[in-house]
Amino acid sequence: QVHLVESGGGVVQPGGSLRLSCAASGFTFRNFPMHWVRQAPGQGLEWVAVISFNGDIKVHADSVKGRFTISRDDSTKTLFLQMNSLKPEDTAVYYCARDPFVGVPDYFDYWGQGTLVTVSS
Amino acid sequence: EIVLTQSPGTLSLSPGERATLSCRASQSVNSNYLGWYQQKPGRAPRLLIYGASIRATGIPDRFSGSGSGTDFTLTISRLEPEDFAVYYCQQYGTSVLISFGQGTRLEIK
Repeated sequence: QVHLVESGGGVVQPGGSLRLSCAASGFTFRNFPMHWVRQAPGQGLEWVAVISFNGDIKVHADSVKGRFTISRDDSTKTLFLQMNSLKPEDTAVYYCARDPFVGVPDYFDYWGQGTLVTVSS
Repeated sequence: EIVLTQSPGTLSLSPGERATLSCRASQSVNSNYLGWYQQKPGRAPRLLIYGASIRATGIPDRFSGSGSGTDFTLTISRLEPEDFAVYYCQQYGTSVLISFGQGTRLEIK
């Protein structure tokens, strides 16, 4: 069955960097667009970024544009989120999620369990 | 960006009752590209409904979605104890941006 497992979260100082990973299994990873979605403590869901199935198209939310970069490695079935210039407001649980269709961004049919990023001095 | 507003913020009901959750969009949602998710504490969201009214795989038929344009509804016909959670709507299918509503907390009365 489909399984997504995030890792790489932790505590980092403001201005620091962190790289999140999402290991995929149970499906043909290279065929699906993938997303990152985050959730600040006690808050709602915020979409962060999407990467197309072939990696050619990457779109980031305005709140992270220029600081975060989504990428993928189909050989290892892994999705990444490189986070630079981190701010306290980036503190959140970060989820990777699968998009079931190629084309315009869709809903998310599978989610990982999330990894917590805390930006604090 | 399409802004989604969910109401009520909190809904207090008893098991066996009917729940009606609303999601209103600031502009028309393309082709009813509207989804609903359920989230329990400490857990990832779970897809319930997509395309405004299509139940995801394995979702009980007590969950139903309806609506079009700017007004959408999630209905839970008879609440089970496991249904008490936070529910989010999400719009998709726009050229680049995805957005979520702020959520409705469904609590036991």
